[in-house]
Amino acid sequence: DAGVIQSPRHEVTEMGQEVTLRCKPISGHDYLFWYRQTMMRGLELLIYFNNNVPIDDSGMPEDRFSAKMPNASFSTLKIQPSEPRDSAVYFCASRKGGSGNTIYFGEGSWLTVV
Amino acid sequence: AQTVTQSQPEMSVQEAETVTLSCTYDTSESDYYLFWYKQPPSRQMILVIRQEAYKQQNATENRFSVNFQKAAKSFSLKISDSQLGDAAMYFCAYRSKNAGNMLTFGGGTRLMVKP
Repeated sequence: DAGVIQSPRHEVTEMGQEVTLRCKPISGHDYLFWYRQTMMRGLELLIYFNNNVPIDDSGMPEDRFSAKMPNASFSTLKIQPSEPRDSAVYFCASRKGGSGNTIYFGEGSWLTVV
Repeated sequence: AQTVTQSQPEMSVQEAETVTLSCTYDTSESDYYLFWYKQPPSRQMILVIRQEAYKQQNATENRFSVNFQKAAKSFSLKISDSQLGDAAMYFCAYRSKNAGNMLTFGGGTRLMVKP
């Protein structure tokens, strides 16, 4: 079974540009999470979806960030306009419903905003 | 709110030796899950082992085992017969069973393995 697939793996962009990160969760998983990892703040949950519906977006830093999940097999995290402080590794993760199920992470998208 | 603390920023172990990574957490809940994730230089987050709080038996996965002390809110990871490929950041994480889906992570421990 394929794991969580993220793209791009690495992106370097200029300040002010729009960035779109993509995620394909594991088939059959109905929860999808976006995490951000920085040296200063460690791993933070940005938003999560259940059955394609955003449930908790309290971790989204500001209005420049938006996430969508148009269907069960695809999600995007968009930053517009990007700023240097957005530089981080962004992880997508998914799990099956049921309280005991483990969250599996993608390989991450390493974003650098210059 | 739950917090997870890893008090060892860095640890070092000789190849083939055993090392223990510490993790403590704070919660008022009685039922929850605990995890150790490994993050090698590739940055991927890889699940190493998980423990369900209602199970008294310590989880074991090959060379990896945990020492779960529920009363002390302690969840340490023991790596036996350390290998060079074990070198990575290790994160302890907590997830409530009943209150949402958020994984709360500790700050991580960097493990170095000396040949």
